[in-house]
Amino acid sequence: GESVGLHLPTLSVQEGDNSIINCAYSNSASDYFIWYKQESGKGPQFIIDIRSNMDKRQGQRVTVLLNKTVKHLSLQIAATQPGDSAVYFCAESTNQGGKLIFGQGTELSVKP
Amino acid sequence: GAGVSQSPSNKVTEKGKDVELRCDPISGHTALYWYRQSLGQGLEFLIYFQGNSAPDKSGLPSDRFSAERTGGSVSTLTIQRTQQEDSAVYLCASSLVGVGSPLHFGNGTRLTVT
Repeated sequence: GESVGLHLPTLSVQEGDNSIINCAYSNSASDYFIWYKQESGKGPQFIIDIRSNMDKRQGQRVTVLLNKTVKHLSLQIAATQPGDSAVYFCAESTNQGGKLIFGQGTELSVKP
Repeated sequence: GAGVSQSPSNKVTEKGKDVELRCDPISGHTALYWYRQSLGQGLEFLIYFQGNSAPDKSGLPSDRFSAERTGGSVSTLTIQRTQQEDSAVYLCASSLVGVGSPLHFGNGTRLTVT
């Protein structure tokens, strides 16, 4: 069936470096994409979203890039901090479906 | 403001018993979702309520699982005759309008079936 997957299950970066977390999706009909951060014992926390009519969107220290040609999504975190350590999930939905389909997640570990 | 509230935060039950999990969404949010997350895994969609429309139940794993949303607000997820494979964290989320709007999650109910 349709799924959203991640290239890397774990990512370790040095504090202050930039992080890039990648995500591939398979449903070409998906038109809404979203990134979540999940810390241990908590529910996922919204980071940033992007619609299919855009290819880039920036937030505070985060940027999401969407490449519809190759069905690829990435999350860039600038000046990564220890507090950024968590599991990051990408998710997709279609305008008709409504429900968000989640990928398996990437664990980001920030070394001080 | 208040976020999504789930209760209980932890539930231990014996195999074969029924359990009810409760979700209080953010006030004014029209859409409500239930997901299940097994240890170290992603989120598995269970069910989605949008306003007065018929719910999308396509993710419920068996007929032992059911959910209701009363008065367009509080939701209850019921698991009958629990099995050990039902052990997981059950997450509830709400969103303002549903399609194309971000979901806001509660901290989940950790269910352990012994």
